[in-house]
Amino acid sequence: KAGVTQTPRYLIKTRGQQVTLSCSPISGHRSVSWYQQTPGQGLQFLFEYFSETQRNKGNFPGRFSGRQFSNSRSEMNVSTLELGDSALYLCASSLGSGGAIETQYFGPGTRLLVL
Amino acid sequence: QKEVEQDPGPLSVPEGAIVSLNCTYSNSAFQYFMWYRQYSRKGPELLMYTYSSGNKEDGRFTAQVDKSSKYISLFIRDSQPSDSATYLCAMSWMDTGRRALTFGSGTRLQVQP
Repeated sequence: KAGVTQTPRYLIKTRGQQVTLSCSPISGHRSVSWYQQTPGQGLQFLFEYFSETQRNKGNFPGRFSGRQFSNSRSEMNVSTLELGDSALYLCASSLGSGGAIETQYFGPGTRLLVL
Repeated sequence: QKEVEQDPGPLSVPEGAIVSLNCTYSNSAFQYFMWYRQYSRKGPELLMYTYSSGNKEDGRFTAQVDKSSKYISLFIRDSQPSDSATYLCAMSWMDTGRRALTFGSGTRLQVQP
């Protein structure tokens, strides 16, 4: 079974631009979560989508948004990019059954550099 | 103060050593505890998860949770150079069907051959 895929793998943008990152979950997985990883803050939860609905949200500004499509694929968008948005953006998928514990499978991430 | 504290390392040990990785947390609502391993330029992969206090063993790995002290540990026996990676602890709770995952900052481990 194919793993979680993320595109693009690397991205360079300038301040003020916007960016869209894509994530394809493992087949059959309905939950997609997004995380931001930086050396200073570590891995921080952005949001989780399940059945095209945002189910949970972390403490990030409204410039960070996401959506999920009917095939469970997800996109996240960052508008008005700031230098501090430079990070590795990780997507994780899970079955989404809401059970006590679910294994989240991470993709390789998209490394975003904002100049 | 962060909800989850983890020593960033790096931690350098000789091959065959026993490695101890630790996290402390402040939020008593956390119920589930996980350890992830992240190799360079890869996403994290789940190593182990535990729910209750106590020990859980899986091969060379043992996860330990002490809820009274808000302290979790991961022990690696007979460490190998292939164990060299960043180890992240993570914690979560269930709230009306939604789940949030909070990570430690990660400890970089280097196992010297």
